[in-house]
Amino acid sequence: AQSVTQLGSHVSVSEGALVLLRCNYSSSVPPYLFWYVQYPNQGLQLLLKYTSAATLVKGINGFEAEFKKSETSFHLTKPSAHMSDAAEYFCAVRSTGRRALTFGSGTRLQVQP
Amino acid sequence: DVKVTQSSRYLVKRTGEKVFLECVQDMDHENMFWYRQDPGLGLRLIYFSYDVKMKEKGDIPEGYSVSREKKERFSLILESASTNQTSMYLCASSLWPGGDQPQHFGDGTRLSIL
Repeated sequence: AQSVTQLGSHVSVSEGALVLLRCNYSSSVPPYLFWYVQYPNQGLQLLLKYTSAATLVKGINGFEAEFKKSETSFHLTKPSAHMSDAAEYFCAVRSTGRRALTFGSGTRLQVQP
Repeated sequence: DVKVTQSSRYLVKRTGEKVFLECVQDMDHENMFWYRQDPGLGLRLIYFSYDVKMKEKGDIPEGYSVSREKKERFSLILESASTNQTSMYLCASSLWPGGDQPQHFGDGTRLSIL
């Protein structure tokens, strides 16, 4: 069964600092990978997705993620954090032929002024 | 833009009540999903539907049922609500086929069972 591990349930960075949110997946074949963001009292919004076209994927709000097959990782980064980036971030995976996504447990990002 | 609408943002019910959560999507998506979100556990799949009247159990279906009578509408039913079903419930939809198709989410229903 596929699974997703997000290291660090809480991450705190200073405004302007690099953001790095970690995601590792387990899958026998390269899956489809997604990052979502959830602002307070809202649903999940798609940040970006990996579909095998390119290993470095750019998303909305300046975020990007790199797919590394050898490390089974899909970490999310942003060069410079903004106060508005404070939210919860979820990594998700879908294996070929499976309709539903499997989500990680989420990482809450705090941005300090 | 895809719009997924959940009928209630907040709901308070009593133990033993039958509870209906409604979800409507406006993009003719084949797939619809119900997730439950709890702190530290991420999103867990309760049920999903891939066509009208078709459904499959997810990871935590116990205590829940679903109904999909029309393609755009997917209902989650708590047959006899219990306090351990207090949670945030999220509905989503997606196109099929297409493993790269993202799921589109509603704003969630925060359900409290007293």
